[in-house]
Amino acid sequence: AQSVTQLDSQVPVFEEAPVELRCNYSSSVSVYLFWYVQYPNQGLQLLLKYLSGSTLVKGINGFEAEFNKSQTSFHLRKPSVHISDTAEYFCAVSEGGAQKLVFGQGTRLTINP
Amino acid sequence: DAGITQSPRHKVTETGTPVTLRCHQTENHRYMYWYRQDPGHGLRLIHYSYGVKDTDKGEVSDGYSVSRSKTEDFLLTLESATSSQTSVYFCANGRDSWDTQYFGPGTRLTVL
Repeated sequence: AQSVTQLDSQVPVFEEAPVELRCNYSSSVSVYLFWYVQYPNQGLQLLLKYLSGSTLVKGINGFEAEFNKSQTSFHLRKPSVHISDTAEYFCAVSEGGAQKLVFGQGTRLTINP
Repeated sequence: DAGITQSPRHKVTETGTPVTLRCHQTENHRYMYWYRQDPGHGLRLIHYSYGVKDTDKGEVSDGYSVSRSKTEDFLLTLESATSSQTSVYFCANGRDSWDTQYFGPGTRLTVL
C-alpha cells in the first residue's frame, strides 16, 4: 500500500534563505507525485507534479522538486524564500490505476524576517 | 481553477443533529472527494465518488455518508454529529483518479 512521510512537521527559515521540504513515499509500482500548498484559511492548490519524464520538476512561485526513484523521495526546494511562502505544504502520491491520492501529514513552513 | 464551491462555509451545530455539507463543481469531472483536515493528521479521505451514484469509502468513513445524484454535486452527511467531527472539511475533484485534484475553499464545522 502507498504511504507518504513528510519528515519535518515544521520548518522555520529566514527570508531569502534556501529551503528543502522532505518527502518520502513507499510503493511497489510506478507512482505519480505531487506537492500542494495551503495558505492560511484557504484550500489546497497544486504547486507541482511529477508524472513522467525529467526527474526535476519546476512549479509555481520558484519551487522545484526532484524525483529520486532509488531513494523513493520527492523533496521540494526553493533557493530563496519570501515571506509570502509561509504556508503548509503537502506531499501526495498516487499509483497508476489508483482511485485516490495519499497525502502526507504536511510541513508548516514559517519564514522569519 | 476547477470551480468548486462548498456550502455552508461555516457551521455550528449541536451533538446529535444531522448535518449536510454540499460540494458543487462547474466542470464535469468524474471524480469527487471529501476530506477532513485536523491538526496533526493532515488530510484524511472520508469518501469519494467515481461517477454518478458511484461512491466508495475512504480511511475515516465511520459516521459519514455521501450521495452523488448529479455530476456536479457531491453531498456529505453526518447522520448524527459528534464533537469528534469538529473539523475543516474539504471537497476536491479531478478528471482522472491518479492525477491532480482541485480543492474547494473548505467548510469549518463545529459540533458543540
